[in-house]
Amino acid sequence: EAGVTQSPTHLIKTRGQQVTLRCSPISGHTSVYWYQQALGLGLQFLLWYDEGEERNRGNFPPRFSGRQFPNYSSELNVNALELEDSALYLCASSPTGYSYGYTFGSGTRLTVV
Amino acid sequence: GNSVTQMEGPVTLSEEAFLTINCTYTATGYPSLFWYVQYPGEGLQLLLKATKADDKGSNKGFEATYRKETTSFHLEKGSVQVSDSAVYFCALSDPARQAGTALIFGKGTTLSVSS
Repeated sequence: EAGVTQSPTHLIKTRGQQVTLRCSPISGHTSVYWYQQALGLGLQFLLWYDEGEERNRGNFPPRFSGRQFPNYSSELNVNALELEDSALYLCASSPTGYSYGYTFGSGTRLTVV
Repeated sequence: GNSVTQMEGPVTLSEEAFLTINCTYTATGYPSLFWYVQYPGEGLQLLLKATKADDKGSNKGFEATYRKETTSFHLEKGSVQVSDSAVYFCALSDPARQAGTALIFGKGTTLSVSS
C-alpha cells in the first residue's frame, strides 16, 4: 500500500513569489491535514480537509490556502512568500472520523530566499 | 483549550541507558494520546497510541501509559540504541472532534544516543 506522498520534496523560492505544494493521501483516506514545521517552532496546524471541504484552519494568515480534490488529493498554496515561511510542510491523511492517528508524508522542504 | 506539554530537550544518553520523556496534557473530554517519532530528514511516524485511561501503548521497545489522574503519557524505553536518535512528539486528539481540531502536538523532544 502506497503511503502519503508529497511533492516536490524540496524547493527554493524568492520572497514575494507563490508556491503550490501537493499531497496524495493513502487510498481510502478522505481527510488530509497540513502542518508547518519551522525550525524551533514545532508542528503548527495549518489546514484540515475532509470530503472536499475545509473543516478547520490554524492561526495562519489568509495567504495560506488550499483545496481538496474529488480524488481526495490536496494542494497547499502560499502567496506572497515571506522569509519566515521557510519550513518543512507536512501532509497527513486519515479515514474520515478516524481520530486514532494520522499517517504522515515525508514533507516538502521550502526555502524562501 | 487542548494542549500538550513535553519536557525540553535535548536528551543525551549513552547506549543501553533508560529513557523517559515526559508528556502532560490538558484536554476536554477523553482524548486519544499518541507518540510520534521523526528521524532526521523524514516525516513523522506513529510510534504508539492509547485511546482510553490506563491503556498502555507499546512498540519497538517503547511504552507509554495513559494516566488520566495525572493527565500524563510519558514515553519510556528500557535500553536505548543509537538508532533511536530522533525527535519525539507527544500528541492528542479529541475522538469526538467536537471542537473540529486536528491532532495537537507538543514541541518535540530531541533524543541523541551515543555509543
